[in-house]
Amino acid sequence: AQSVAQPEDQVNVAEGNPLTVKCTYSVSGNPYLFWYVQYPNRGLQFLLKYITGDNLVKGSYGFEAEFNKSQTSFHLKKPSALVSDSALYFCAVRDGGDSSYKLIFGSGTRLLVRP
Amino acid sequence: ETGVTQSPTHLIKTRGQQVTLRCSSQSGHNTVSWYQQALGQGPQFIFQYYREEENGRGNFPPRFSGLQFPNYSSELNVNALELDDSALYLCASSLDFRDRSYYGYTFGSGTRLTVV
Repeated sequence: AQSVAQPEDQVNVAEGNPLTVKCTYSVSGNPYLFWYVQYPNRGLQFLLKYITGDNLVKGSYGFEAEFNKSQTSFHLKKPSALVSDSALYFCAVRDGGDSSYKLIFGSGTRLLVRP
Repeated sequence: ETGVTQSPTHLIKTRGQQVTLRCSSQSGHNTVSWYQQALGQGPQFIFQYYREEENGRGNFPPRFSGLQFPNYSSELNVNALELDDSALYLCASSLDFRDRSYYGYTFGSGTRLTVV
């Protein structure tokens, strides 16, 4: 069964410092991986995706993610955090073993960026 | 700016009642999926519609049902509401779930359902 794990419930970082939000996955076949962000009382906003190609994927708002096949990880990164980056972040994988190709989400990581 | 709109934004229902949530998909998208996001959890897949037919269902009981209309808008119906149905319900549309060269969902802002 396909799954993703976000081992940290919360990540705290000071503004201007680099940030990493961790995600590991378990899939059969090639992984299609995604990061979404959710602000309070809002839906999910797409940040970036990995389908194939370069292991470093660049996305919206200065975020990037590094795909590591040997470690089955897809960590979200940003070189310099902003207070406005504080939100809930979800990693997701497409379920290629299902006819709907539904998304399977992790439990989420709350990012708090302090001024 | 999201192209998926959901209504209503908030809803309070009594246990045992029925509710209908609505979703207007992004223009050109023929696939609509529904997810339930309980407080403090990640979204869970309920079901998906492709060209008016259900083509996938998550681990939800039959009292969760849906429809997709010719214009690709969609409804989620929940009968016999239970307290545990309280959640944010997210609708997402995609261009075509079968397209392997591009795969992305556009999510709406959700409907917050509270069952009392």
